[in-house]
Amino acid sequence: KQEVTQIPAALSVPEGENLVLNCSFTDSAIYNLQWFRQDPGKGLTSLLLIQSSQREQTSGRLNASLDKSSGRSTLYIAASQPGDSATYLCAVSDNYGQNFVFGPGTRLSVLP
Amino acid sequence: DARVTQTPRHKVTEMGQEVTMRCQPILGHNTVFWYRQTMMQGLELLAYFRNRAPLDDSGMPKDRFSAEMPDATLATLKIQPSEPRDSAVYFCASGLVRGAGSTEAFFGQGTRLTVV
Repeated sequence: KQEVTQIPAALSVPEGENLVLNCSFTDSAIYNLQWFRQDPGKGLTSLLLIQSSQREQTSGRLNASLDKSSGRSTLYIAASQPGDSATYLCAVSDNYGQNFVFGPGTRLSVLP
Repeated sequence: DARVTQTPRHKVTEMGQEVTMRCQPILGHNTVFWYRQTMMQGLELLAYFRNRAPLDDSGMPKDRFSAEMPDATLATLKIQPSEPRDSAVYFCASGLVRGAGSTEAFFGQGTRLTVV
């Protein structure tokens, strides 16, 4: 059974810092990995999707990498801003995008 | 602006009552997921559909939960009878799978259910 963990559970940084969020999964037979952002009381917003054949994806200040063999993904946020404060979740899917399994999330606070 | 729409956004009901949550997936998407989110368990997959057919509902308590897609524009999740332990936020997500392609899931805003 696929299990996804995220470290750290919570992170507080001053504005402007670069930071890394970590995601680990136990079964490397994934089809893709997706990073989401969730603001309090809101739904999940898709940030980046990495297919299993890819090693990284970039969108603006965000860069996500994937190492299937080691069961790890990282989300790099450059020049963090208070507006980046949210919970960040990663999810992995098996073949054909079925059965997404989510990690518990990392709660990020960026202090002005 | 394509988005997944869920109704109602909030629902408070008494134990034993029937609850129906609705989801309108993004037009053209062929996969619909239902998730439940709680503080203790995080996000749990309840069921998912491909081309309106249920592919997996093993995450759902079968005795009280049911999920259907009466047509391509509507997915429903029903709880009957509801119990206090069902209190959670229920999310619907949709995605498009093409053959062996991957799915990017897009989430609705959720239905916050409180059973008293």
